[in-house]
Amino acid sequence: DAKTTQPPSMDCAEGRAANLPCNHSTISGNEYVYWYRQIHSQGPQYIIHGLKNNETNEMASLIITEDRKSSTLILPHATLRDTAVYYCIVRVASLVETSYDKVIFGPGTSLSVIP
Amino acid sequence: GAVVSQHPSRVICKSGTSVKIECRSLDFQATTMFWYRQFPKQSLMLMATSNEGSKATYEQGVEKDKFLINHASLTLSTLTVTSAHPEDSSFYICSARGSVGYEQFFGPGTRLTVL
Repeated sequence: DAKTTQPPSMDCAEGRAANLPCNHSTISGNEYVYWYRQIHSQGPQYIIHGLKNNETNEMASLIITEDRKSSTLILPHATLRDTAVYYCIVRVASLVETSYDKVIFGPGTSLSVIP
Repeated sequence: GAVVSQHPSRVICKSGTSVKIECRSLDFQATTMFWYRQFPKQSLMLMATSNEGSKATYEQGVEKDKFLINHASLTLSTLTVTSAHPEDSSFYICSARGSVGYEQFFGPGTRLTVL
């Protein structure tokens, strides 16, 4: 069963920030929040992940609420190439409990960046 | 990041034939590999997990005799779709995890069309 809830689709104007929400109210203390995206007919691409602190890299920012029950992926200046399905996933990501560590995909959010 | 390749990228076959898809980790040793299947407009569904030198573990509902997985080396896993039928037409994606760390790296996918 999917552990996350995301809106099925969103639109964003080119050049504006895209804010993609994700609810993960049953997240456990040892589970990380991961974001991947899949451009049409390609394999998933890793974007960013975090445990409880906000994270930023060259692609995006991840804002995790203090209670860790939800998060937001922010693409600061969306381009047409950011049109994709974005998946929010929670996983153990443990060096020890690898038998539990599988990336399970939910339906994701289909983001359309509009010119 | 680490690179995972798949071959072929596209394959068309006749009903009743078997098709082999290769997944390679190009610059790291993959102790664990995962196979996913994705139907049009749906999310990725995990089919099976394989550890090098061991039998694959299949997810519920996936026929192990139809989808043969071999992970004989640390850089290569193969998925063979036996006696393929049109309903097996799908996008097959592999993912690999190395012996160091817990990240999964995804391949570009293989589009299988069974006529």
